[in-house]
Amino acid sequence: DAGVTQSPTHLIKTRGQQVTLRCSPKSGHDTVSWYQQALGQGPQFIFQYYEEEERQRGNFPDRFSGHQFPNYSSELNVNALLLGDSALYLCASSFGANRVAGYTFGSGTRLTVV
Amino acid sequence: AQKVTQAQTEISVVEKEDVTLDCVYETRDTTYYLFWYKQPPSGELVFLIRRNSFDEQNEISGRYSWNFQKSTSSFNFTITASQVVDSAVYFCALSEAARDDKIIFGKGTRLHILP
Repeated sequence: DAGVTQSPTHLIKTRGQQVTLRCSPKSGHDTVSWYQQALGQGPQFIFQYYEEEERQRGNFPDRFSGHQFPNYSSELNVNALLLGDSALYLCASSFGANRVAGYTFGSGTRLTVV
Repeated sequence: AQKVTQAQTEISVVEKEDVTLDCVYETRDTTYYLFWYKQPPSGELVFLIRRNSFDEQNEISGRYSWNFQKSTSSFNFTITASQVVDSAVYFCALSEAARDDKIIFGKGTRLHILP
């Protein structure tokens, strides 16, 4: 049973560009959350998608946006990249009412902005 | 406000020693979850334990044990007879599940187990 799959694993972008990161949730999960982990820090909540809608959002600017598809997979888009956006981006999936307790994390996409 | 503090940024112990990772949390809610996650170099966050605020029973799972004390807002994690494979970054985390679904993580403790 595949867990959470994220792609790509590594990415290098230039400041000002746009990037799209992808996440396939664990089989049977319907909720996807995105976290940003800067070097030496703990992950920070970006937003959560459920039923193709943004359900909750953390303290991130509008440059960060997302989408969830009917098959529950999700994309994270970041526009006008800044050097400070360099981080490990983690996707977590869960199911229904047991969202927090049942999180499964992927291995992340490491984004470097130069 | 929610906050998780892991005062130990980095710890090194020799293999087979016991080691305790400290975690102190802040929350206004009476209903919340506490977590410990392990992050090996691969980057994936590996779930270790979840404890809800109404369950103060300490837990032991193999070489791992957890001490939850609401009186001091602490949720400490002990590894007994440490092994080199335990080397990783460990995160303590909190969720006020009655309020929302996001998890607030501490900054992590990097644990080095020396052979």
